[in-house]
Amino acid sequence: NAGVMQNPRHLVRRRGQEARLRCSPVKGHSHVYWYRQLPEEGLKFMVYLQKENIIDESGMPKERFSAEFPKEGPSILRIQQVVRGDSAAYFCASSPTDSLNTEAFFGQGTRLTVV
Amino acid sequence: GDSVTQMEGPVTLSEEAFLTINCTYTATGYPSLFWYVQYPGEGLQLLLKATKADDKGSNKGFEATYRKETTSFHLEKGSVQVSDSAVYFCALTPSGGYNKLIFGAGTRLAVHP
Repeated sequence: NAGVMQNPRHLVRRRGQEARLRCSPVKGHSHVYWYRQLPEEGLKFMVYLQKENIIDESGMPKERFSAEFPKEGPSILRIQQVVRGDSAAYFCASSPTDSLNTEAFFGQGTRLTVV
Repeated sequence: GDSVTQMEGPVTLSEEAFLTINCTYTATGYPSLFWYVQYPGEGLQLLLKATKADDKGSNKGFEATYRKETTSFHLEKGSVQVSDSAVYFCALTPSGGYNKLIFGAGTRLAVHP
């Protein structure tokens, strides 16, 4: 069974460009979470999605950031007009339900560098 | 709001030494508590968890006990190995919530032969 797949693993963007990060959850998982890890810091929750719905986006910056999880295909985290401060590792996790009794599996992350 | 505080690293130990990584939390109600491990270049892996007071989570020789009276969830291992070198994250999910994790800053562990 494939785990959570994130691509690309490394992404370099110039200031002002758009970054698109993809996350394919474990097969059969319909719950996806995105986290951001700044250098030397812990992971910070960004957004929780179920298929076609955003459930909790309390950790998403108000501007430039958006996320979707369509009926078909991977979840996408989009960052428009990137700035240096967006440089971080972005991790996706998936779970089969929203129950705390089910483990959330993490991908290997996408490391975004803004130059 | 809810938060997790863990001891700063790096922690450097010799092989077979005893490990303790302290973790305390602030939360309303009865959160679930977790330890995750991140090996270099990898994503996070669940190491152990505890969902109610006095529960002990254990896995691969690691243990942590949910102490509500001290709001702590310290990670321990009796004899570390070089292969345990990684970053360890303490985390919680608020009571009544879903898998929305609140992480500590992480503690880097380096074990030398």
